[in-house]
Amino acid sequence: ETGVTQTPRHLVMGMTNKKSLKCEQHLGHNAMYWYKQSAKKPLELMFVYSLEERVENNSVPSRFSPECPNSSHLFLHLHTLQPEDSALYLCASRNKRGGDTQYFGPGTRLTVL
Amino acid sequence: GENVEQHPSTLSVQEGDSAVIKCTYSDSASNYFPWYKQELGKGPQLIIDIRSNVGEKKDQRIAVTLNKTAKHFSLHITETQPEDSAVYFCAASFIQGAQKLVFGQGTRLTINP
Repeated sequence: ETGVTQTPRHLVMGMTNKKSLKCEQHLGHNAMYWYKQSAKKPLELMFVYSLEERVENNSVPSRFSPECPNSSHLFLHLHTLQPEDSALYLCASRNKRGGDTQYFGPGTRLTVL
Repeated sequence: GENVEQHPSTLSVQEGDSAVIKCTYSDSASNYFPWYKQELGKGPQLIIDIRSNVGEKKDQRIAVTLNKTAKHFSLHITETQPEDSAVYFCAASFIQGAQKLVFGQGTRLTINP
């Protein structure tokens, strides 16, 4: 285990649903990331969150909305998704103070019907 | 922005032989180059990384080489074992700040007994 947990592990939702993905890190890190992994594209950074800054990939649609209430928890709120949003969503965390490595969780496999 | 190309997309080697995976990057400002291994049903895990002030780094059977002039870096696995079978990803980023990793497309490595 990497110390990064994600729930749920699998999610099936319709295009009109609203759901949230949760990530929790138990490593004392201070930066957290959302990535999208689909069959046709490489791992793609969606959002970076730290206490000092939030960084967005400008190509991420507004139907994805991140929330980071504290340094240990990260959410990805989903609404009115499209079938092409079906993918594995990975969370990662890092210690910005001297840590190079991003530690990944196991991911949430999302299917949009 | 940064672009990372990874080759080959699939690689099959006999157990005990060596495997080499190559990546090129486009942004000369990138100074951090990690390699991740992803097994089925799991998130990517760091196996080795290198900073731009170093040309080569080794950890037991795994080594990474970096050529800054040519903007390419390679992963070398010697004495391959069946448990090395997985998907391997290279990535590049500027290490300071948000560390926005840009990933290659991945290489599916199969070790044949």
